[in-house]
Amino acid sequence: GAVVSQHPSRVICKSGTSVKIECRSLDFQATTMFWYRQFPKQSLMLMATSNEGSKATYEQGVEKDKFLINHASLTLSTLTVTSAHPEDSSFYICSATDRLPYEQYFGPGTRLTVT
Amino acid sequence: QQQVKQSPQSLIVQKGGISIINCAYENTAFDYFPWYQQFPGKGPALLIAIRPDVSEKKEGRFTISFNKSAKQFSLHIMDSQPGDSATYFCAASGAGYSTLTFGKGTMLLVSP
Repeated sequence: GAVVSQHPSRVICKSGTSVKIECRSLDFQATTMFWYRQFPKQSLMLMATSNEGSKATYEQGVEKDKFLINHASLTLSTLTVTSAHPEDSSFYICSATDRLPYEQYFGPGTRLTVT
Repeated sequence: QQQVKQSPQSLIVQKGGISIINCAYENTAFDYFPWYQQFPGKGPALLIAIRPDVSEKKEGRFTISFNKSAKQFSLHIMDSQPGDSATYFCAASGAGYSTLTFGKGTMLLVSP
């Protein structure tokens, strides 16, 4: 149980384009989903928290107009990186939970490369 | 006060040995302490977690030891195997918090 999927697993896009990453909870209803960013050999950096049907809460320093988050249902959240630039290249990971503040289950991650 | 300090940053252990990773926290409101295992290019996977009402929790070769008075907790991997080579993150959370606070991670290499 507690499986979270992400799609795509890898994406390469050109600078200036937008990319959408999907996060799905497959066997439970996720009241809350989180989006993280991870640079090589570093810890996870929380970008935003989203609850189904409401606006995402962004961490300090994360541009909400650049990283658009939609949590349209209890099993799906999307992260759209708008007007991507090479510095947005990173490993993006989502997590989901139905029992805050405790167990969070992570997706497999999405490797974004902006050329 | 929100920080979780993790050590060591990296660790090399021989096959069959014991791997020990330590974490310390300041916030006494934390009451949930999970450990995550992450392989390269993959998302973190919940390995084992503990609440402060017990001092130790064991699942297979993995054991969490918890010292509430010292505000420290540690992960012990018994009979370490090359397949355990990964990055391990400790984390903490608690009632009133909606997010996990992560340590900086420990890269474990188990040599054959």
